[in-house]
Amino acid sequence: DSGVTQTPKHLITATGQRVTLRCSPRSGDLSVYWYQQSLDQGLQFLIHYYNGEERAKGNILERFSAQQFPDLHSELNLSSLELGDSALYFCASSVAQGALGTGELFFGEGSRLTVL
Amino acid sequence: GQSLEQPSEVTAVEGAIVQINCTYQTSGFYGLSWYQQHDGGAPTFLSYNGLDGLEETGRFSSFLSRSDSYGYLLLQELQMKDSASYFCAVSLRGDSSYKLIFGSGTRLLVRP
Repeated sequence: DSGVTQTPKHLITATGQRVTLRCSPRSGDLSVYWYQQSLDQGLQFLIHYYNGEERAKGNILERFSAQQFPDLHSELNLSSLELGDSALYFCASSVAQGALGTGELFFGEGSRLTVL
Repeated sequence: GQSLEQPSEVTAVEGAIVQINCTYQTSGFYGLSWYQQHDGGAPTFLSYNGLDGLEETGRFSSFLSRSDSYGYLLLQELQMKDSASYFCAVSLRGDSSYKLIFGSGTRLLVRP
């Protein structure tokens, strides 16, 4: 158990809908990262938040948005869903940005989104 | 742009040694790390190289050559449970941004 909690674990919805994925980082971790993993693909970096502020963006679609709240939990909002958005969405946390100096992120178990 | 390349699949025999290579082309390179992911599971951290050379952690070792933009993960005394996907990842540092970018992964199959 990494200590990172993601909900929901599974989500099935229809095209055009909107969903919110939630992530609670490990206690004390200030950084939250979101990744998308499509079937048999690598992990695509979406966005990084540090202590409530956006710090880096990857290949995140305009239909997607994220926030990190004062209690450090984060939400990833996916709207106008398309079939191609079906994927595993992982949240990861680290104690600080400097933790990238160790390359170690702690991943949650992921939220599996299926768009029908 | 940024790119990482690693083989898509590797097969090895239980008890053997296997090496998974990773080459990268990036800007703002800070370090190279390796993650393991079993099917349907979360990626878990294995090792990190910030400096050139070899880092050893039990049966796993990782190597980095910054001048060659190259690294590898070495798995010794392979066990069946080592069958998984292995991802190299580069830490990238910008002015005020930090990213960890993953390769597309190498699926390792360990045969009896």
